[in-house]
Amino acid sequence: EAQVTQNPRYLITVTGKKLTVTCSQNMNHEYMSWYRQDPGLGLRQIYYSMNVEVTDKGDVPEGYKVSRKEKRNFPLILESPSPNQTSLYFCASSFGRTREQYFGPGTRLTVT
Amino acid sequence: GEDVEQSLFLSVREGDSSVINCTYTDSSSTYLYWYKQEPGAGLQLLTYIFSNMDMKQDQRLTVLLNKKDKHLSLRIADTQTGDSAIYFCAENTGTASKLTFGTGTRLQVTL
Repeated sequence: EAQVTQNPRYLITVTGKKLTVTCSQNMNHEYMSWYRQDPGLGLRQIYYSMNVEVTDKGDVPEGYKVSRKEKRNFPLILESPSPNQTSLYFCASSFGRTREQYFGPGTRLTVT
Repeated sequence: GEDVEQSLFLSVREGDSSVINCTYTDSSSTYLYWYKQEPGAGLQLLTYIFSNMDMKQDQRLTVLLNKKDKHLSLRIADTQTGDSAIYFCAENTGTASKLTFGTGTRLQVTL
């Protein structure tokens, strides 16, 4: 089944404790992105990747890191999480001219 | 700048038509999309329209695009309770994998 998977689905952590949210897609898509969803703000792009080893900042990259060592994986790293990074995070992959994005199920992160 | 605006809430009766509106500011957008988010789930692509089209119909869904006014709408005919969700419009601003999303419209379908 074609899909985007994220892990973990739920995470509660404390300020400053490094964490990684994994994202994997099995559709051989070139493009992958991370978004955060906050009430009243819609989805905002954090980082995106156009291919292996090619990444770029989205609209809200501060406090986040990404890497793209393999085509299928695009982990999101929070080196020192802070409470303002409490949010719902989505990974997405896309391909082709239309760039229609396929979303993962989301990761709800709470930083206390 | 790139701002995509939507009204926050819409309530319709089952069987009526729903119209969800969206305005965007980037005239260079190539594709415009409608996504649906059900509670506790990710976003699901409903439909998209190429910027040189005025209208696209897909079963109960009709998308209208007015490029002059930078206005996009999604009409759902014969709205059902299963259509209750948050609907997001989004624009592709040309950069690979760069989508700008609206704030979402929560559609409530009442009996």
